[in-house]
Amino acid sequence: DVQLVDSGGGLVQPGGSLRLSCAASGFTFSSSAMNWVRQAPGKGLEWVSTISGSGGSTYYADSVKGRFTISRDNSKNTLYLQMSSLRAEDTAIYYCAKKTCSGGTCPHIFDCWGQGTLVTVSS
Amino acid sequence: DIVMTQSPDSLAVSLGERATINCKSSQSVLYSSNNKNSLAWYQQKPGQPPKLLIYWTSTRESGVPDRFSGSGSGTDFTLTISSLQAEDVAVYYCQQYYSIPSTFTPPTFGQGTKLEIK
Repeated sequence: DVQLVDSGGGLVQPGGSLRLSCAASGFTFSSSAMNWVRQAPGKGLEWVSTISGSGGSTYYADSVKGRFTISRDNSKNTLYLQMSSLRAEDTAIYYCAKKTCSGGTCPHIFDCWGQGTLVTVSS
Repeated sequence: DIVMTQSPDSLAVSLGERATINCKSSQSVLYSSNNKNSLAWYQQKPGQPPKLLIYWTSTRESGVPDRFSGSGSGTDFTLTISSLQAEDVAVYYCQQYYSIPSTFTPPTFGQGTKLEIK
């Protein structure tokens, strides 16, 4: 079965950093573009970032551009999100999500999601 | 970015009755490569991640019951649950994934519709 397991969330002070991970199994990881989508407490879904299957193309929401970096290690079937200069408004559950295709610009149909990891930015 | 607006924000329907959720996009989401509308629906139950129900406006994801159906065109789309079951209580989100081939367009979601039992 296709499975995504998110980890790395926690409590961090404003201005701090955190690295999220998403371990994938059950599919050919390098053939799928991967994404991070977040959900603030009690709120809706917000796309954060996308990386192509090869890792050669990356894309970011304006709200995180310059502060977050998405990456992947296809030898370890793992997706990452390095977050820095964190703000209170970054507080959310972060989900990794798999696309049905490998290209960064191919349709963003998210057919599998991790269980999410909670990031809380507070002093 | 394309803005997605759902209506209503919440909905209470009796068991066995039809539930209808609407979604409107701020511009056309027609994907030129296949002439299909780039619209998906997700279901999110409390404490769980979203689950893909429908994509390309009306294609059901594998394993999704056939009481769920999607329709629409242009900028107006609808998710219909033909006969509400207790396990359908959830928040439903529409999402557009419009893009021009080889050009990145950020996906955006509607604000969600909370579906409850009357």
